[in-house]
Amino acid sequence: EVQLVQSGAEVKKPGESLKISCKGSGYRFTTYWIGWVRQMPGKGLEWMGIIYPSDSDTRYSPSFQGQVTISADKSITTAYLQWSSLKASDTAMYYCARGWAAVISATWGVHAFDIWGQGTMVTVSS
Amino acid sequence: QSALTQPPSASGSPGQSVTISCTGTNSDVGGYNYVSWYQQHPGKAPKLMIYEVSKRPSGVPDRFSGSKSGNTASLTVSGLQAEDEADYYCSSYAGSNYSPFGGGTKLTVL
Repeated sequence: EVQLVQSGAEVKKPGESLKISCKGSGYRFTTYWIGWVRQMPGKGLEWMGIIYPSDSDTRYSPSFQGQVTISADKSITTAYLQWSSLKASDTAMYYCARGWAAVISATWGVHAFDIWGQGTMVTVSS
Repeated sequence: QSALTQPPSASGSPGQSVTISCTGTNSDVGGYNYVSWYQQHPGKAPKLMIYEVSKRPSGVPDRFSGSKSGNTASLTVSGLQAEDEADYYCSSYAGSNYSPFGGGTKLTVL
């Protein structure tokens, strides 16, 4: 079974660091992109960024560039999302998802997410 | 503010059809045939319902269909059922390996 399993809920204080994980199984991890999506309480989905685990090629949304770091360890089929200094406004559910890519305008582009993790709730509060 | 504009809400009675729009620009929806739609029930992860404008992943009922005209994509749900009540999000490729989401539409089955 193809699945993405995320790490558990976190409660942190402002200024603390955090790294959450997303473990893929049931498919060749290095041949699909992994994306991260934020959903703040009661709000919509926000595309944060994607990574290609084979070579760690990474792309961030302008809104999240410099705010988070996306990484991956292909040896253990796991992708990560990390913060160096959390803010209360980082409180949200975070989803990882497997990306489908195609050659679009002569370059690879991720255009859909077909498999989603169960989500990791991050709460930042003093 | 989302890059793609969706109506906040839509509704229909069981058995009816409802269409949800997703309006972008010629830099995203109008420029590429890579629009996808996701269904999200409360407390659950999103689920891919439509990709590449009108294709359905395996297991998605054919009551769900997608289309595009110019800068506006649409998701149509035919033969509405109670379990279709959920939030729906569109997404469109926008170049540079980036596919933002719309703001979402809450579909209510009356």
